[in-house]
Amino acid sequence: KQEVTQIPAALSVPEGENLVLNCSFTDSAIYNLQWFRQDPGKGLTSLLLIQSSQREQTSGRLNASLDKSSGRSTLYIAASQPGDSATYLCAVPLIMEYGNKLVFGAGTILRVKS
Amino acid sequence: EPEVTQTPSHQVTQMGQEVILRCVPISNHLYFYWYRQILGQKVEFLVSFYNNEISEKSEIFDDQFSVERPDGSNFTLKIRSTKLEDSAMYFCASIRDSGGLVTQYFGPGTRLLVL
Repeated sequence: KQEVTQIPAALSVPEGENLVLNCSFTDSAIYNLQWFRQDPGKGLTSLLLIQSSQREQTSGRLNASLDKSSGRSTLYIAASQPGDSATYLCAVPLIMEYGNKLVFGAGTILRVKS
Repeated sequence: EPEVTQTPSHQVTQMGQEVILRCVPISNHLYFYWYRQILGQKVEFLVSFYNNEISEKSEIFDDQFSVERPDGSNFTLKIRSTKLEDSAMYFCASIRDSGGLVTQYFGPGTRLLVL
């Protein structure tokens, strides 16, 4: 059974700091891994999807890495800003007979202080 | 960019009442999902829907829940007799085709509060 774990559960940093969020998964046979952002009481915004054949994926100040063999992914946020404050979720797909379903971690609550 | 929409954004209901949550997936997508997130907990899979039938459902998705795609565009989740523990954020998602190579597109969610 696939389990997804995220550490730390919460993180508070001053503005401008670079930071790393961690995600681990128990079954390394994944097709991809997706990072989402969730603002309080809001929906899920997809940030990055990194395929199993990739080691890194970048979007602006965000960089996601994937190490399938060790069951880990990191989300690196450069030069953090107060607007980055949100919960960050990682998820991996479980392939079903038709389509796939996502298994989510519990998230890391990020607060960037100005 | 096309997006998944959900209505209503918030719903308050009394325990035992029926609720219907509505979703309009992206038009050329074929696979549809409902997830829920109880406050402070993980987002969890409820049900997937393909070719006008349920393709998989979780343990949570009991006889009180049903889904349908009544008119080729809307995708609904019905809870027949709500319980307090059904209070959660409900997300609809869709993907274009099968396999694990494509991203799931999520709607903004419906926050359901059962009193």
